[in-house]
Amino acid sequence: EVQLVESGGGLVKPGGSLRLSCAASGFTFSNAWMTWVRQAPGKGLEWVGRIKSKTDGGTTDYAAPVKGRFTISRDDSKNTLYLQMNSLKTEDTAVYYCTTQRSGSFDYWGQGTLVTVSS
Amino acid sequence: QSALTQPASVSGSPGQSITISCTGTSSDVGGYNYVSWYQQHPGKAPKLIISDVSNRPSGVSNRFSGSKSGNTASLTISGLQAEDEADYYCSSYTSSITWVFGGGTKLTVL
Repeated sequence: EVQLVESGGGLVKPGGSLRLSCAASGFTFSNAWMTWVRQAPGKGLEWVGRIKSKTDGGTTDYAAPVKGRFTISRDDSKNTLYLQMNSLKTEDTAVYYCTTQRSGSFDYWGQGTLVTVSS
Repeated sequence: QSALTQPASVSGSPGQSITISCTGTSSDVGGYNYVSWYQQHPGKAPKLIISDVSNRPSGVSNRFSGSKSGNTASLTISGLQAEDEADYYCSSYTSSITWVFGGGTKLTVL
């Protein structure tokens, strides 16, 4: 059974940093493309960024609002995906989901972790 | 990249069929067959219900179907059931090597 468990969310001040983790199990993590999607309170879904598998180059792509501030990485030895968030803004407040990506869709989702950026 | 356009809400009675539209541009919906649909119940994570325009993942009811014409994709739910009441989101790959979601549609089963 595929399981994705996010952690690391919490309250942070504007300008601060936070690192989210996503522990994966039930599939071959090293072969998977992985994505972060966020959802602000009461709002819709927003794609944050994606990392390819190392065999496909391990490259990353990001949405414009987070490019240059957020970094996605992976540790295949630990079956874990990361999202390093720097220079956080109040508009980054959201539930952050990690997902697997197959073709053009996000097929498995974690339960999400809440990040609140507030002074 | 602007969000894809979905109606804010749709409604239908049990047993009826409804269709949710998702309108983009030739740089996203119209340019690629990478349109997917997600169902989200309150307080829950989204669930994939349609991938690659019209493919249903294993375990998803055949009451859900997807299609695309030009820059508009559509999700049809037939034989509406109370459990279908949820928010629905479309998503598409874009020419900027990113993904974009629709604003979401709230489905009410009357």
